[in-house]
Amino acid sequence: GAVVSQHPSRVICKSGTSVKIECRSLDFQATTMFWYRQFPKQSLMLMATSNEGSKATYEQGVEKDKFLINHASLTLSTLTVTSAHPEDSSFYICSGRRQGSRYNEQFFGPGTRLTVL
Amino acid sequence: GDSVTQMEGPVTLSEEAFLTINCTYTATGYPSLFWYVQYPGEGLQLLLKATKADDKGSNKGFEATYRKETTSFHLEKGSVQVSDSAVYFCALSASGGGADGLTFGKGTHLIIQP
Repeated sequence: GAVVSQHPSRVICKSGTSVKIECRSLDFQATTMFWYRQFPKQSLMLMATSNEGSKATYEQGVEKDKFLINHASLTLSTLTVTSAHPEDSSFYICSGRRQGSRYNEQFFGPGTRLTVL
Repeated sequence: GDSVTQMEGPVTLSEEAFLTINCTYTATGYPSLFWYVQYPGEGLQLLLKATKADDKGSNKGFEATYRKETTSFHLEKGSVQVSDSAVYFCALSASGGGADGLTFGKGTHLIIQP
């Protein structure tokens, strides 16, 4: 149990376009979902925290107007990278915290590789 | 702020060797500690966790003990296999059971040779 999927797994887009990434918890309800960004040979950096039905909380330095997050249901969160630029190229990973989880265990998706040309 | 420091790799070992990957942390309060593993081409998977001092997390032959006095959570395995080759991340949740994002170390790439 506790499977998280992401779609797409890989996307290439032109500079200036917007890209939407979906994160789904397949077999559990995630009251909280998180979005991370991972640079090559670097750690995962938390971008934002989203709770179902409310606005996301962004980490310092993350532009909320550029990285739009929607957590419409207990099983789906989306990240939209608006007006993407080459510096937004990265590996984006989501995770879900199971409803009722006691120790903040998070279950991670396989990630989405974004390349902006 | 909170931080996690772990030994950088790659770490290359022969099959059946003893493994230690060091992890130390700084955090205010009483964090929960985790080890995640990322196999090639896959997402992060929770390997083990510990939520209070002297707790030992264990799974698949891996162990780590929450040492508050040394702020450490070193990962160990007595006899590694080729299938253990992966990237290992140490992480903490600063709020313990709260719903906050995790703070990760940079990851340690482990390579096990037959």
